[in-house]
Amino acid sequence: GAVVSQHPSRVICKSGTSVKIECRSLDFQATTMFWYRQFPKQSLMLMATSNEGSKATYEQGVEKDKFLINHASLTLSTLTVTSAHPEDSSFYICSAGQGAELNTEAFFGQGTRLTVV
Amino acid sequence: GQQLNQSPQSMFIQEGEDVSMNCTSSSIFNTWLWYKQDPGEGPVLLIALYKAGELTSNGRLTAQFGITRKDSFLNISASIPSDVGIYFCAGQRGGADGLTFGKGTHLIIQP
Repeated sequence: GAVVSQHPSRVICKSGTSVKIECRSLDFQATTMFWYRQFPKQSLMLMATSNEGSKATYEQGVEKDKFLINHASLTLSTLTVTSAHPEDSSFYICSAGQGAELNTEAFFGQGTRLTVV
Repeated sequence: GQQLNQSPQSMFIQEGEDVSMNCTSSSIFNTWLWYKQDPGEGPVLLIALYKAGELTSNGRLTAQFGITRKDSFLNISASIPSDVGIYFCAGQRGGADGLTFGKGTHLIIQP
């Protein structure tokens, strides 16, 4: 299957700082990537849809100024958590599909464990 | 955000037993997917279903896309220790849409 790589896998940052997480599609071009958040022992919740060359689409309740998304190329999307707070500590996971047609399979990155202290 | 109704929440079974879990939704999805997630890692796709009524197998795994497009089930036959983990169903409306996940089924296999 397709490979999606996420970096870093773990990050610890201080409150008030910003953290950038990268999501790369390694063997295909992804016009659309997705960012999810997963709190401990809970399911994945979609945060936003990252569109190459245009603005991201955020789910209800997700602050776009706090979670900045940049999808500058067909193989890279970045999520920046700005002014991080302890409650932002979570597992962030990206996914990418191989096309915009129906029947696209979504492949996930390894996830990034963010801890804000 | 919306979540799918996935059950059971957890299962304690003996090695060799068959496993069945299902997901239901109040709205229609055009694609159903089943994932397995190990601790600290991203979900790994097990089976993708694209047509209502479709029954698909992947080794010991079998999944079906419900006729109403509002439900799906996953069966695992003859469970083995490496089947331990959390299984998630997910629905997708269109190929350009993100996924809506179930709450997960935690599979525990007792020796």
